[in-house]
Amino acid sequence: DAGITQSPRHKVTETGTPVTLRCHQTENHRYMYWYRQDPGHGLRLIHYSYGVKDTDKGEVSDGYSVSRSKTEDFLLTLESATSSQTSVYFCAISEPGLAGDKYEQYFGPGTRLTVT
Amino acid sequence: AQTVTQSQPEMSVQEAETVTLSCTYDTSENNYYLFWYKQPPSRQMILVIRQEAYKQQNATENRFSVNFQKAAKSFSLKISDSQLGDTAMYFCAFMARHQAGTALIFGKGTTLSVSS
Repeated sequence: DAGITQSPRHKVTETGTPVTLRCHQTENHRYMYWYRQDPGHGLRLIHYSYGVKDTDKGEVSDGYSVSRSKTEDFLLTLESATSSQTSVYFCAISEPGLAGDKYEQYFGPGTRLTVT
Repeated sequence: AQTVTQSQPEMSVQEAETVTLSCTYDTSENNYYLFWYKQPPSRQMILVIRQEAYKQQNATENRFSVNFQKAAKSFSLKISDSQLGDTAMYFCAFMARHQAGTALIFGKGTTLSVSS
């Protein structure tokens, strides 16, 4: 299994409070991703990073920011949480161009966030 | 924009039987990758199988195989000799090769129940 951890695994917070989720990898992969999973929507990309300090927006980036100051850590921040951000958040990593032309992404265990 | 459609929200099968999950996609790309991910009740996203669009041969991984029809933009997953541990939600996902390192586009998932 890819060495990916997420913290916290569960969090309940109130509307309007800031929240930061952490993704940590031990694989030294360049690419890291944040997805959210909601019923009826599958997984949708929030933000991704292609290197330290290099990030870009995904499909559902409004209300989220990210930071990557080290290869191994990718942080997702909800500046002011809203009930619509109640979801399960997944981190993923990949290293495009590895031998064998493998571009798959490997996922962390997920964080369940509830905003009340 | 690419889209992925899984038309079967739920399916059920008996142990030892074979089941096929459907996936269709829409893209104007010629070079891309397709994946099936499994999400058991533990919530972990597990890569089941991958297919490179430039390869005509259908991918197989033990009891899992795909039927890739590029012209029809169809990518179905066949599970042979179903086991109770195959009970999970299955997601079909697409990635354009030139966008490797950006996003996986997921379908909404098919919940598979395997009973004894």
